[in-house]
Amino acid sequence: QQQVKQSPQSLIVQKGGIPIINCAYENTAFDYFPWYQQFPGKGPALLIAIRPDVSEKKEGRFTISFNKSAKQFSLHIMDSQPGDSATYFCAAISGAGSYQLTFGKGTKLSVIP
Amino acid sequence: GAVVSQHPSRVICKSGTSVKIECRSLDFQATTMFWYRQFPKQSLMLMATSNEGSKATYEQGVEKDKFLINHASLTLSTLTVTSAHPEDSSFYICSARWSGGMGHGGDTQYFGPGTRLTVL
Repeated sequence: QQQVKQSPQSLIVQKGGIPIINCAYENTAFDYFPWYQQFPGKGPALLIAIRPDVSEKKEGRFTISFNKSAKQFSLHIMDSQPGDSATYFCAAISGAGSYQLTFGKGTKLSVIP
Repeated sequence: GAVVSQHPSRVICKSGTSVKIECRSLDFQATTMFWYRQFPKQSLMLMATSNEGSKATYEQGVEKDKFLINHASLTLSTLTVTSAHPEDSSFYICSARWSGGMGHGGDTQYFGPGTRLTVL
């Protein structure tokens, strides 16, 4: 059972565009939602994270929007650049459990010049 | 801060040999580390959770006698792939749990750069 559903699977945008990646979850025990960026052949890097008591969080060009009632959250990348081309994973974690991350399946983003 | 290293970054070995991968948290102490396996174009698959000073907890389907995990200190966990076979070839990634917050608001995991294992 996939507990975090991520879409789209792949995304192509032009430089300067605003790609949006969406995730949805079922488990209400999740209380922390990080996003990871992974380049080919590298480990995932923590990008930004949010708690469900906050509806939006912004760090640089990256923004998370969180809708607790809908159990959905999304990542927006402002003024996207070719260097942002990577695979993005949303994740969820329960602080009351084993602290294991539950990952989405990933979104491969390509930003074309 | 919150840097995790892995060594080696790439290893090629013959079938039947054992390979050890080290995972270190460089600037924080990690009571819990995790080991993942990632196949091409797929998400990360959790193999096991490693707690300092105790036995690792393996996910269903992961052979604990084949993937030996040791978490002897708060900054080091090791994964040994015993009697490796070509089907064990994969990208292995560790992560370390940090509860320091660092502006992110809570417990999260920081990942190492990964180890590419190729078994011939």
